[in-house]
Amino acid sequence: RKEVEQDPGPFNVPEGATVAFNCTYSNSASQSFFWYRQDCRKEPKLLMSVYSSGNEDGRFTAQLNRASQYISLLIRDSKLSDSATYLCVSSFSGGYNKLIFGAGTRLAVHP
Amino acid sequence: GAGVSQSPRYKVTKRGQDVALRCDPISGHVSLYWYRQALGQGPEFLTYFNYEAQQDKSGLPNDRFSAERPEGSISTLTIQRTEQRDSAMYRCASRPEGSREQYFGPGTRLTVT
Repeated sequence: RKEVEQDPGPFNVPEGATVAFNCTYSNSASQSFFWYRQDCRKEPKLLMSVYSSGNEDGRFTAQLNRASQYISLLIRDSKLSDSATYLCVSSFSGGYNKLIFGAGTRLAVHP
Repeated sequence: GAGVSQSPRYKVTKRGQDVALRCDPISGHVSLYWYRQALGQGPEFLTYFNYEAQQDKSGLPNDRFSAERPEGSISTLTIQRTEQRDSAMYRCASRPEGSREQYFGPGTRLTVT
């Protein structure tokens, strides 16, 4: 079983839609969580950190449920430019050492 | 400013040859990480350094893989006696002190024939 599991998608949604991705992690010792975005043939880039209380950054909302060991990302009012692969990431130490990536969820936003 | 750079961007080598992949981190970044990414998968951790000290090499698949960062800046990942299963995108990332964000480079696409 992988340490971080995600639905690979693809999620095909129209512009303006709301879409949610979930991810589960298996190691309860994981301390910190992130969402990274990876465009096709590009490097991953940090989208946002995920905090226990939930956090929002514009159209993006991330939540963490430690009891169920899952993380979610909600994207509201999808834009064409949101099309990418979204990588769920865990870390044992606040992100200061290794990151453990899921396989990613592909999102395609169409006009 | 300049991001993380890696060279070569593409490397094709024959099975059994040694390869050296280079990473030039963002200036001043204390930590440097190596990952390997297969098609359709997320990056998989290999090893990381704080300054010149290798802190964790638990992700290196076997003893054919080694990495160094002798002066705490540029790093080299070396794969000896390459095998076809080593074919992948090798990514380097760096992180400034006090930040949780790792900045990734464009990667080196390694193909072993």
